[in-house]
Amino acid sequence: QVQLVESGGGLVKPGGSLRLSCAASGFTFSDYYMNWIRQAPGKGLEWVSYISSSATYTKYADSVKGRFTISRDNAKNSLYLQMNNLRAEDTAVYYCARDSGYEHPDYWGQGTLVTVSS
Amino acid sequence: SYELTQPPSVSVSPGQTARITCSGDALPKKYAYWYQQKSGQAPVLVIYEDSKRPSGIPERFSGSSSGTMATLTISGAQVEDEADYYCYSTDSSGNLPYVFGTGTKVTVL
Repeated sequence: QVQLVESGGGLVKPGGSLRLSCAASGFTFSDYYMNWIRQAPGKGLEWVSYISSSATYTKYADSVKGRFTISRDNAKNSLYLQMNNLRAEDTAVYYCARDSGYEHPDYWGQGTLVTVSS
Repeated sequence: SYELTQPPSVSVSPGQTARITCSGDALPKKYAYWYQQKSGQAPVLVIYEDSKRPSGIPERFSGSSSGTMATLTISGAQVEDEADYYCYSTDSSGNLPYVFGTGTKVTVL
């Protein structure tokens, strides 16, 4: 069965950096686009970024463009999110989600919490 | 930027029907999807392409779309259906390709 497991979250100071990882299993990882989606405490869902199956294409929400970088290693079945110059408003649970192939997420991980605070 | 607007909350008695709306200008041209998120859990897809139900989702969940409004209907709501529900769609015209609705808290009591 499809499994997505995020890791790498934690407490970081404003201006700091963090790298999130997502380990995928139960499907052919290299066939699918992947997304990062976040949810601030008590708030709604916000799409952050996606990457194409071969990493040729990436796209970012304006709120993170220039600060976050999505990448993947198909040999390791892993997705990453490098987050630099973090701000308090980046505090959220970050979910890794597989794209169905029809422009919507179909499977989600359980999320990893990122807290940006001094 | 493109927005999908939902009512903040809907309350329903067990066994009754709950309807959640999602309003967006691009919905006449784009599919709507619905996700259920129970407290402390990851979202789960309950409706895709306006009205299709993934395997394993109970038949009491149904979806429809007309004009600029999509609707998720829970017929005969159960206590276990209490959750936040988010609509979702795509927007090829702007810089934000994937958009989630504002979310609706469904209370079953």
